[in-house]
Order: sequence, then C-alpha cells, then structure tokens
Amino acid sequence: AQSVTQPDIHITVSEGASLELRCNYSYGATPYLFWYVQSPGQGLQLLLKYFSGDTLVQGIKGFEAEFKRSQSSFNLRKPSVHWSDAAEYFCAVGAMQAGTALIFGKGTTLSVSS
Amino acid sequence: EPEVTQTPSHQVTQMGQEVILRCVPISNHLYFYWYRQILGQKVEFLVSFYNNEISEKSEIFDDQFSVERPDGSNFTLKIRSTKLEDSAMYFCASTRLAGDNEQFFGPGTRLTVL
Repeated sequence: AQSVTQPDIHITVSEGASLELRCNYSYGATPYLFWYVQSPGQGLQLLLKYFSGDTLVQGIKGFEAEFKRSQSSFNLRKPSVHWSDAAEYFCAVGAMQAGTALIFGKGTTLSVSS
Repeated sequence: EPEVTQTPSHQVTQMGQEVILRCVPISNHLYFYWYRQILGQKVEFLVSFYNNEISEKSEIFDDQFSVERPDGSNFTLKIRSTKLEDSAMYFCASTRLAGDNEQFFGPGTRLTVL
C-alpha cells in the first residue's frame, strides 16, 4: 500500500536550535517526494521536492531534506529554527506524471519556544 | 508570483444543500486537482482534471461530487447534497507540465455543514 508516515505529531524546538522532521514512505514506483508547510489559516506552500539527482536537496526558508532510498526516508532539516517556522509540516509522495494523486502524511506540528 | 486562488474562504451550509467551491488555477497550468483535509486529519486526494476530463479520482469522490471547468479560468467542485462529514478544508491545486507533478496549492475553502 502507498503511504507516508510522519512519526512525530508535535515537536517543540527552541529558537536557534536545529530541527529534523521525519518522513517515511511506501510507494510502488519511483517516488517524487515533497515537503509542504501550512501556517495557520494558510494554504500549503512547497518547501522542497526531490525526484532524482543529488539526494540532499535545498529548499526555501533555509530548509533541506535528504533522500535515503535504503531507509525509504525523506527527512526535513533546518540548522537554526526561527520563531516564524512554527507551522504544520506535511511530507507527500507521488508519481512524476502530472494528474496523479499526492499522498500526504498526517503532518507534524512544529512549535518554537523562545 | 502567480498563485492559485479559491473562493469563498469559508462556506457554511445546511445538510442536504448543494455547494460549489471555486478555484482559479495558475493561468498557464494544465492539470487541476481537489484535495480535502478534515480537521485533525491528513490531506486527502479527491480528483484530478485535465483537458476537460477527470484524470484520476479517489474512493471519496463519489456521485455526490462533480468537477467542472466552466470557462478558461475557473475550476469548480460541486457537492450535490452535503453531509455533516463533508465539513473540511478543501484545497485546489494545479500543475503546469505533464512531466512534472509539482502541485501548487491554493489557500483553501473551509466548508462547514450544519
């Protein structure tokens, strides 16, 4: 079955500390992987994506993610978290072909403490 | 930067009523999608649409749902007879290229069924 697992429902990080959000996926074909962020009352904003090439991808707002095929993981990282990073983060997987569904994880809520 | 827009931002309706949720995808995009997010749950795919036809649909997208591109800019989701369990945030998304499934999401419409 195709699925995305985000094991952490809620994470609290101190401002300035590093962050890692976990994502594991199960997908029958070559996965196209995404991280989206959703701030309260806002839509889903794409942080970064990966399909092929360098397994460490850089995104917006200082985020990066590393694809590990052997672990079926695509973890999101940021070296130094800012208070404005508090939001909900969704990992998603799909096919490269447009018109096909993205499968989302349940999301991880990030809180940032001062 | 071009964005997907959705109207209204919040819709309240009575059970059994028909609702139409509207989306304006990014102008040069070719593929369109609807997703929903029930409060506290994951984002779920409903349907994708290309060249005036449904490309793919999920089990959720039953006969109560329909989609339409009534003109060159709008993309609509109709729910014929709303149920309480249809209360959710509905997201529209669009994709530009056939060979790249990067989906750009709108801000969502919160549908409340009373």
